[in-house]
Amino acid sequence: TQLLEQSPQFLSIQEGENLTVYCNSSSVFSSLQWYRQEPGEGPVLLVTVVTGGEVKKLKRLTFQFGDARKDSSLHITAAQPGDTGLYLCAEGGGFKTIFGAGTRLFVKA
Amino acid sequence: KAGVTQTPRYLIKTRGQQVTLSCSPISGHRSVSWYQQTPGQGLQFLFEYFSETQRNKGNFPGRFSGRQFSNSRSEMNVSTLELGDSALYLCASSLEGAVGYNEQFFGPGTRLTVL
Repeated sequence: TQLLEQSPQFLSIQEGENLTVYCNSSSVFSSLQWYRQEPGEGPVLLVTVVTGGEVKKLKRLTFQFGDARKDSSLHITAAQPGDTGLYLCAEGGGFKTIFGAGTRLFVKA
Repeated sequence: KAGVTQTPRYLIKTRGQQVTLSCSPISGHRSVSWYQQTPGQGLQFLFEYFSETQRNKGNFPGRFSGRQFSNSRSEMNVSTLELGDSALYLCASSLEGAVGYNEQFFGPGTRLTVL
């Protein structure tokens, strides 16, 4: 069974700071998604990466997929309070999705 | 386009009771998946339905069951509730749920509390 490890588990930073969160797998990803979940809501898909070495940008968020497709990172530039939430990575092949435990981010104004 | 809807949003039950949760996927989406989210275990896959057939199942006891109707709406049922079943139950829909990658859209969840 594939395991996804996310780090750090918790992150509390000041508005304007940069941060990176990581997602590592025990085996090769077929594809990887990043989601953000706010309290009381379901996760919202941010991006899907499929190709090793792929880099995708979404405004201040940069997603990178490792060359070997066993790791991924999410970098946020100049974090804002609206970025606060639970960031989840997920591997989505084979008719089911396996989620990591998530990184809980809190951005203080 | 309306998103995934789940009803009810909140539910309080007592041990031993049973509960049925409902999910309406995005129009045109044929795959519906269910997840349980708890602080200790995170998001765990329950099962996935496509065209009224269960295609995959997670590691949950038989007390957890589901079904999908011809209009793709889905229900999940939990019988003989235990305290540990208290969780946020999330439903997600996708177009086909195809092998390769599976872009899912989640509903807001049903918060179940078992007393």
